[in-house]
Amino acid sequence: EIVMTQSPATLSVSPGERATLSCRASQSVSSNLAWYQQKPGQAPRLLIYAASTRATGIPARFSGSGSGTEFTLTISSLQSEDFAVYYCQQSNNWPPWTFGQGTKVEIK
Amino acid sequence: QVRLVESGGGVVRPGRSLRLSCAASGFTFNDYAIHWVRQAPGKGLEWVAVISFDGSNKYYADSVKGRFTISRDNSKDTLFLQLNSLRPDDTAVYYCVRARRAFDIWGQGTMVTVSS
Repeated sequence: EIVMTQSPATLSVSPGERATLSCRASQSVSSNLAWYQQKPGQAPRLLIYAASTRATGIPARFSGSGSGTEFTLTISSLQSEDFAVYYCQQSNNWPPWTFGQGTKVEIK
Repeated sequence: QVRLVESGGGVVRPGRSLRLSCAASGFTFNDYAIHWVRQAPGKGLEWVAVISFDGSNKYYADSVKGRFTISRDNSKDTLFLQLNSLRPDDTAVYYCVRARRAFDIWGQGTMVTVSS
């Protein structure tokens, strides 16, 4: 099973600042990596797939990069609606499909 | 619009059973594999099971293998998850999720609570 590790667990950022979230895989997942956003009481929402492709309707301030075992989600200028928990997920070696434990982006 | 709506959750005693349903609309249901993903209260996301577009292939997380069964009825655009021998650590919100290159459409979830 591929283990996904996200860092940091919590990221405190001021509105308008840049946020950088990391995700590491225990073995290569090529570019089969997705990012999801989850707000309290809501289902997760797909942000990024194939490591760097934005899903339909996702603003350009969200970008993904990386391949192999190291990945990054960058939010270029945080808006109030971006404060949430973010999960990475691999779909290269399955089953199982595995998620990271999440990074909470909170207001500084 | 594209939509997945789960139902069937509730409170159940340990060892009992429950059947979850997921109704799809707004897309060609039998073109897609569909997953179940769960989230325990205050915890992260855990993949549970998947069924291929035609129901011929099914995979399960080790934590539910032998207890849960995934199925689908493509004539009714509906997905099912039969939960047997439920345990307290099965308590979670259960989401059905459409998948192609990623998990692109999520239902709103249905809560399952296993408690005596």
